[in-house]
Amino acid sequence: ILNVEQSPQSLHVQEGDSTNFTCSFPSSNFYALHWYRWETAKSPEALFVMTLNGDEKKKGRISATLNTKEGYSYLYIKGSQPEDSATYLCAFPQGGSEKLVFGKGTKLTVNP
Amino acid sequence: DAGVIQSPRHEVTEMGQEVTLRCKPISGHNSLFWYRQTMMRGLELLIYFNNNVPIDDSGMPEDRFSAKMPNASFSTLKIQPSEPRDSAVYFCASSFRLAGGPNEQFFGPGTRLTVL
Repeated sequence: ILNVEQSPQSLHVQEGDSTNFTCSFPSSNFYALHWYRWETAKSPEALFVMTLNGDEKKKGRISATLNTKEGYSYLYIKGSQPEDSATYLCAFPQGGSEKLVFGKGTKLTVNP
Repeated sequence: DAGVIQSPRHEVTEMGQEVTLRCKPISGHNSLFWYRQTMMRGLELLIYFNNNVPIDDSGMPEDRFSAKMPNASFSTLKIQPSEPRDSAVYFCASSFRLAGGPNEQFFGPGTRLTVL
């Protein structure tokens, strides 16, 4: 069974703090790694799809890095704002198919 | 674009009743996914279709669950008979599958199902 682990499970930071969290995935037969942002009472929205080892993607204050050899990805948020409060999910395509296996997510709360 | 449309948004039913959830994918997308979100298991894929054909239904929990995609713009997920443990949020997502490429999935707003 493919295992996608995220840590920490939850995180509370103050407005203005920078933060990061981790997604671990199987390092063999890597195909892609997806990051999604899921606000409460809404649906998940894609942030990044990462495919290359050493890849770094950025969207505003949010960036992600990828290490396929050791099987991890980091998501960074610089200068957190209350509107960044959400659950951040990573997902790994099983067998290179369209079937995404999601981690349990990191729930971020940014206090004003 | 209207995005992925799901109906109903909320469904409350009694144990033993049939439940039908509906999904309209984004126009032009050729893959459609049904997910279930629970506290215990997180977001898990139930079944997905490509070009209206079921590709992987290994996540469907049991025979009480069935899904169809009669055409490119409509899919249903049916539970018959429903049980209290089916209570969850069910999401539909769609994507445009490009050969050899990882594809971003676009999620609908979800249907919150409560089985009493």
